[in-house]
Amino acid sequence: QVQLVESGGGVVQPGRSLRLSCAASGFTFSSYTMHWVRQAPGKGLQWVAVISYDGNNKYYADSVKGRFTISRDNSKNTLYLQMNSQTTEDTAVYYCARGTFPPFSNALCDYWGQGTLVTVSS
Amino acid sequence: QSALTQPASVSGSPGQSITISCTGTSSDVGGYNYVSWYQQHPGKAPKLMIYDVTDRPLGVSHRFSGSKSGNTASLTISGLQAEDEADYYCSSYTSSNTLVFGGGTKLTVL
Repeated sequence: QVQLVESGGGVVQPGRSLRLSCAASGFTFSSYTMHWVRQAPGKGLQWVAVISYDGNNKYYADSVKGRFTISRDNSKNTLYLQMNSQTTEDTAVYYCARGTFPPFSNALCDYWGQGTLVTVSS
Repeated sequence: QSALTQPASVSGSPGQSITISCTGTSSDVGGYNYVSWYQQHPGKAPKLMIYDVTDRPLGVSHRFSGSKSGNTASLTISGLQAEDEADYYCSSYTSSNTLVFGGGTKLTVL
């Protein structure tokens, strides 16, 4: 069965960096688009970024563009999110999700991990 | 990238039907048939319930259905059950090559 397991969350000071990982299993990772979606405590879902199956296409939400970088290692079945220059607004549970994205497909997230909590605080 | 507009809360009694709206613009909901709906129970990851406006993934109950008119999409749950009590989020692809979610709707089964 499809499994997505996020790791790397924790407490980080404002302005510092953190890298999240998402280990995938139960499907052919190298064939799928992957997303990062976050949820601030008590708030709604916010899409963060997407990467194509081959890593050649990446798109970001305006709120993280220039600070966050999505990447993948298909040989390790792992998705990453490098988060730099973090602010308190980045405090959230970060979910990785398998999905699809235009232009060659529709736009959805069909399997989600359980999330990892990132707290940005001094 | 403003969030799509959803009502904060809706409620219904067991067996009844409810509808949750999701309003965007011609640059997202109105411009593409790439609207999805997600169910999230407290402390759990979201679950895909509807995609491409009207389609259900395998395993999702036929009680869940989706539709769209202009810039507004809707999720209807018929034959309401206690286990349907959860938060529901819509999402849409946008002309800026992003995804945008709605603010979420808390469904209470009375």
